Amino acid sequence: QLQLQESGPGLVKPSETLSLTCTVSGGSITISSFSWGWIRQPPGKGLEWIGSMYYSGGTYYNPSLRNRVTISVDTSQNQFSLNLRSVTAADTAVYYCARGGIDYYGSGSSDWFDPWGQGTLVTVSS
Amino acid sequence: SSELTQDPAVSVALGQTVRITCQGDSLRTYYVSWFQQKPGQAPVLVIYGKNNRPSGIPDRFSGSSSGNTASLTFTGAQAEDEADYYCHSRDSSGNHLLFGGGTKVTVL
Repeated sequence: QLQLQESGPGLVKPSETLSLTCTVSGGSITISSFSWGWIRQPPGKGLEWIGSMYYSGGTYYNPSLRNRVTISVDTSQNQFSLNLRSVTAADTAVYYCARGGIDYYGSGSSDWFDPWGQGTLVTVSS
Repeated sequence: SSELTQDPAVSVALGQTVRITCQGDSLRTYYVSWFQQKPGQAPVLVIYGKNNRPSGIPDRFSGSSSGNTASLTFTGAQAEDEADYYCHSRDSSGNHLLFGGGTKVTVL
């Protein structure tokens, strides 16, 4: 059974870089048919997609965060990571990692995320 | 448009049927997936594609789509169905993913 687990500091100072790692167990991160994504949720608010990467190539970011975010992979550790630079209080959120997939139909396609990690709260504060 | 619009809140009587909608221009091209999120928990995929349920999701949950609107319906609402529900799809460019604002479902 595939499982994902986020790890990293729970407190980051303003203007610094938020760095999180997602460790994948029960399956390989190198399977080309899946993507690996980060999603966040500010306290009391909705979900926001941060970005997704495909091991076979291509990394896609939310346009509103593109200038500050990098997602990378470490295949030796079966992990992928999130770096978010120049953080402010608005970046305080629960950060989730998840496996992504896409199904194709004649009439369109469907993206999905499953499973998700349990999430980790990151607070930006001095 | 790069938005997915959901009603903020819906209530349903115990045992009744509830339908949650998600509207967006991109839904004329892309299907949505639906997530259930209970307080303090990670979201869980309940519907994806035309009307597919992951293993373990009861068949009380179903999805449909027409034009720019996708719907999640669940019949025989139970107390355990009380949660926030989010739709998810692509924006109109097809290059980016996004979520709807979420619908809080209360079971009365």
